Amino acid sequence: DIQMTQSPSSLSASVGDRVTITCRASQSISSHLNWYQQKPGKAPNLLIYGASSLQYGVPSRFSGSGSGTEFTLTISSLQPDDFATYFCQQSYVTTWTFGQGTKVEI
Amino acid sequence: QVQLVQSGAEVKKPGASVKVSCEASGYSFTTYAIHWVRQAPGHRLEWLGWINTGSGSTRYSQKLQARVTITGDTSARTAYMELSSLTSEDTAIYYCARDQWEGLHNWFDPWGQGTLVTVSS
Repeated sequence: DIQMTQSPSSLSASVGDRVTITCRASQSISSHLNWYQQKPGKAPNLLIYGASSLQYGVPSRFSGSGSGTEFTLTISSLQPDDFATYFCQQSYVTTWTFGQGTKVEI
Repeated sequence: QVQLVQSGAEVKKPGASVKVSCEASGYSFTTYAIHWVRQAPGHRLEWLGWINTGSGSTRYSQKLQARVTITGDTSARTAYMELSSLTSEDTAIYYCARDQWEGLHNWFDPWGQGTLVTVSS
């Protein structure tokens, strides 16, 4: 299986901050990388697919970039609703695997 | 709207089996595959398997393939995940999610609300 590693595992930030989360794959996955947001007690919610395509309805402050083995999720100006855990997922090999998550806290 | 609604929480004894359902609405059930994913305390999301709801074909994670069975009932627009020989390690929230694709890319959207399965003696 392809191993996905996120960094950092958690971070503290303030409203208005620019936040960047990194996801690294154990082998090249081209641009087959998705990002999800999960709030406590809720299911994951898709933010970005194909490394950089914004899901319909997701605010434009979220963006994704990268290809190969290194990817980033950026929140340009953190809002109160963005405090959550973020996961990356590879879809290059169809035994889909996820990163361990990055918790964004106040 | 597109929605997946799962069955309620379960408490099972070690060695038992559990069957979780996932009812789809708002789209053509047989057009999109359904995945099952679990989230155990302190662990990352783990993909369990998926079902092609049109053909009924399935594929499972190598780790769980001996214990997991995914089925579908097209008339009920419902997918099921059954896990046997439960241990405390299977205590987790189990999610179903619809497979979505565009070109060569695919992702999971939407997800069901999750079903907590607790394995305890």
